[in-house]
Amino acid sequence: NAGVTQTPKFRVLKTGQSMTLLCAQDMNHEYMYWYRQDPGMGLRLIHYSVGEGTTAKGEVPDGYNVSRLKKQNFLLGLESAAPSQTSVYFCASSLAGQTGELFFGEGSRLTVL
Amino acid sequence: AQTVTQSQPEMSVQEAETVTLSCTYDTSESNYYLFWYKQPPSRQMILVIRQEAYKQQNATENRFSVNFQKAAKSFSLKISDSQLGDTAMYFCAFMRRGAGSYQLTFGKGTKLSVIP
Repeated sequence: NAGVTQTPKFRVLKTGQSMTLLCAQDMNHEYMYWYRQDPGMGLRLIHYSVGEGTTAKGEVPDGYNVSRLKKQNFLLGLESAAPSQTSVYFCASSLAGQTGELFFGEGSRLTVL
Repeated sequence: AQTVTQSQPEMSVQEAETVTLSCTYDTSESNYYLFWYKQPPSRQMILVIRQEAYKQQNATENRFSVNFQKAAKSFSLKISDSQLGDTAMYFCAFMRRGAGSYQLTFGKGTKLSVIP
């Protein structure tokens, strides 16, 4: 049982480059989330999805786009990477959004030079 | 908007001792959840314990328990009989309960080190 899997786990980009982070979950969860974690900042919600084909903005959505074409996958895209997007990105999923029990991936460390 | 404050950036405890991590929050909501999440050095976060605001009884999960003071908006985590595997970042989090609410608001975390 893989749970929540993120790829890639590490990536270095140059300013202006684009990339996509993939999150896959095998628990048949309806809700999926992308968070970023920065030193001294805790976790901040970027975007989330409450079902296939739906997405919504979180606390810090600027500079990111997401898609949920399949229930098990949630993609996070950076169209033009900036050094301020250097961070560790976490994907999470939950069976029901109201309980607060999120299942997290191992994180993806992104460095933008 | 909700805010979650963890005033202890770092703490340490001797193995087998008890430690308490503090968390306060600010909200105008009356119905919500509170959580403690653990992030070990491997980075994958896991849920430690959950408290529903309408329940007066403090939640307990084995060696982990909370002291929930709703009026004071305080939600501390007590770890008894600390073990080396408890070394981790601990995050307090808040979720408003209600339709359309999906966002967890996290505190900045407390780094706990358990010393042998």
